[in-house]
Amino acid sequence: QVHLVESGGGVVQPGRSLRLSCVASGFTFGVCGMHWVRESPGKGLEWIAVISFDGRTKKHADSVEGRFTVSRDNSKNTLYLQMNSLRPEDTAVYYCAREEVVASADGTMYYDFWGQGTLVTVSS
Amino acid sequence: EIRMTQSPSPLSASVGDRVTITCRASQNIGKYLSWYQHKPGKAPKVLIYGASNLVRGVPSRFSGSGSGTDFTLTISRLQTDDFASYYCQETYSLSPRFGGGTKVDIK
Repeated sequence: QVHLVESGGGVVQPGRSLRLSCVASGFTFGVCGMHWVRESPGKGLEWIAVISFDGRTKKHADSVEGRFTVSRDNSKNTLYLQMNSLRPEDTAVYYCAREEVVASADGTMYYDFWGQGTLVTVSS
Repeated sequence: EIRMTQSPSPLSASVGDRVTITCRASQNIGKYLSWYQHKPGKAPKVLIYGASNLVRGVPSRFSGSGSGTDFTLTISRLQTDDFASYYCQETYSLSPRFGGGTKVDIK
């Protein structure tokens, strides 16, 4: 049974840092691309970052580029999101999500499993 | 960067209604589009991938269509459990953006 469990959220002052973790179980973590998605109050879902199965390829949304860094440790079945220089607009529930690639549909992908989310509040 | 625009939002409907949500991409994305349902306090749930492929276990009242820049999600007969927010997401680019969402609420 696939499980993704996020942790590390909390209340933090603007300009400070936080590291989120997402522990995976029930599947072979090291063969799956992984993503971070957030939901801000009243703003809907926003894609934040992706990391390839081996950690070699990463991409971040423009809104967090240079401040957030996605990484993974396949030996620990864990995905991370290092968040620096946090801003009030980063306040959101942060989800990790597993990428499923459908070879029979031209390689399209979707998120088949999500964590329960962890709340990050940036406020002074 | 690809921009995704959804309409309408919000959408007020009654149980039994046929509901259609539209998603438009700022450039041709082929059929690289997924649809998600999101309820407060829960993780989003995938409904459709590849624009029109129903994910296993999702009720058949949900369907997706379209290609290129214009896509639709249709709920043939709205059920109580379907009152939620719906998001499209392009999966064509390396930065797979979501649309702004459509909240389906009770009329």
